[in-house]
Amino acid sequence: KAGVTQTPRYLIKTRGQQVTLSCSPISGHRSVSWYQQTPGQGLQFLFEYFSETQRNKGNFPGRFSGRQFSNSRSEMNVSTLELGDSALYLCASSAGLAGGRSLNEQFFGPGTRLTVL
Amino acid sequence: GENVEQHPSTLSVQEGDSAVIKCTYSDSASNYFPWYKQELGKGPQLIIDIRSNVGEKKDQRIAVTLNKTAKHFSLHITETQPEDSAVYFCAASKGSNYQLIWGAGTKLIIKP
Repeated sequence: KAGVTQTPRYLIKTRGQQVTLSCSPISGHRSVSWYQQTPGQGLQFLFEYFSETQRNKGNFPGRFSGRQFSNSRSEMNVSTLELGDSALYLCASSAGLAGGRSLNEQFFGPGTRLTVL
Repeated sequence: GENVEQHPSTLSVQEGDSAVIKCTYSDSASNYFPWYKQELGKGPQLIIDIRSNVGEKKDQRIAVTLNKTAKHFSLHITETQPEDSAVYFCAASKGSNYQLIWGAGTKLIIKP
């Protein structure tokens, strides 16, 4: 099985711009979660989508949004970029099905490194 | 809400020695506790997990123990090797419909 893919891998933007990141989950996985990772801050949960619906949401401002398509691919968007948005953005997919053995295991992509100048 | 604390933030051990990383959680309803390893330039990868109906689980050189009463769980790595150098994250969850709550991470350094 192909793993989780994220595009682009690297991105440079300037303050005030907006950005869209893409994530393709493992085939058959219906849950996609997004995380922001900065040095010293660990993994900060942004949101999770399951079957095109946002199922969980972290404590990020409304500038951060996401969506999931019928093929489970997901995008996240950050509007009005700030310097503090510079980070590694990780996407993780899981089966997300109730009752399954591996329902909780998250498979991470390599991330998108976003730099805001 | 749920909170997971992880200690230490950095751990340096001699190659061949054991390493122990500890996490505590606040929500007694949590029932799933995974450990992830993140190597440089990669996303985290699940290395072992435990559910609340089990007290200990082993997989070769790694083991996880869970104390539900005290609400803490630990990762044990024996006979450490250079390839064990990485950042390790613990997490806790109440189930598949709930998000994973993550610890802050432990940077493990294996000294040759």
